[in-house]
Amino acid sequence: GDSVTQMEGPVTLSEEAFLTINCTYTATGYPSLFWYVQYPGEGLQLLLKATKADDKGSNKGFEATYRKETTSFHLEKGSVQVSDSAVYFCALSFLANQAGTALIFGKGTTLSVSS
Amino acid sequence: DGGITQSPKYLFRKEGQNVTLSCEQNLNHDAMYWYRQDPGQGLRLIYYSQIVNDFQKGDIAEGYSVSREKKESFPLTVTSAQKNPTAFYLCASSVDRGEEKLFFGSGTQLSVL
Repeated sequence: GDSVTQMEGPVTLSEEAFLTINCTYTATGYPSLFWYVQYPGEGLQLLLKATKADDKGSNKGFEATYRKETTSFHLEKGSVQVSDSAVYFCALSFLANQAGTALIFGKGTTLSVSS
Repeated sequence: DGGITQSPKYLFRKEGQNVTLSCEQNLNHDAMYWYRQDPGQGLRLIYYSQIVNDFQKGDIAEGYSVSREKKESFPLTVTSAQKNPTAFYLCASSVDRGEEKLFFGSGTQLSVL
């Protein structure tokens, strides 16, 4: 079945370091891909998305490119801040004909940034 | 401000007891969802509803029940049949079933006494 695999955390970085969180997916078609972020004690917020191959999603300095050839959607940021500390979820979705699943989430990667 | 409100933030259940988690949205969204979050396991879909008076089982519906009598409300009942209910429960909504962007509530932490 369809699935999402994320790198395991926690990821611990110093402020202004470069961030990469790897995400790969398995799907029978061409899903849309997402990164959601969860700050402590809160629900999830959509960070960015890409709907087709070679699309780049970006928001708040974060970027991810939909790579069909490698089935990947890695999250990157050039200079992290303490306020970026959160759990990051990679997800995919299909439209219609997909009984029972709205979004398929990865297990989440915890990022901790220190000053 | 529009959004999704979950209550309570923390809930405790005794053995054999049914408990209900509230989820209300004022975004005028047709579709609503319940996810369960366990440490190290990501989010798993429990139930979803596309329109009022209709709902479908997700991947882990056993031991749970829902209702959708009003567009803005989608309560989740954790029944005594759910043997491992301790988890963080997240409610979400989207404009419709075909809209992929989900808006999430702030969650309810359910624990067993």
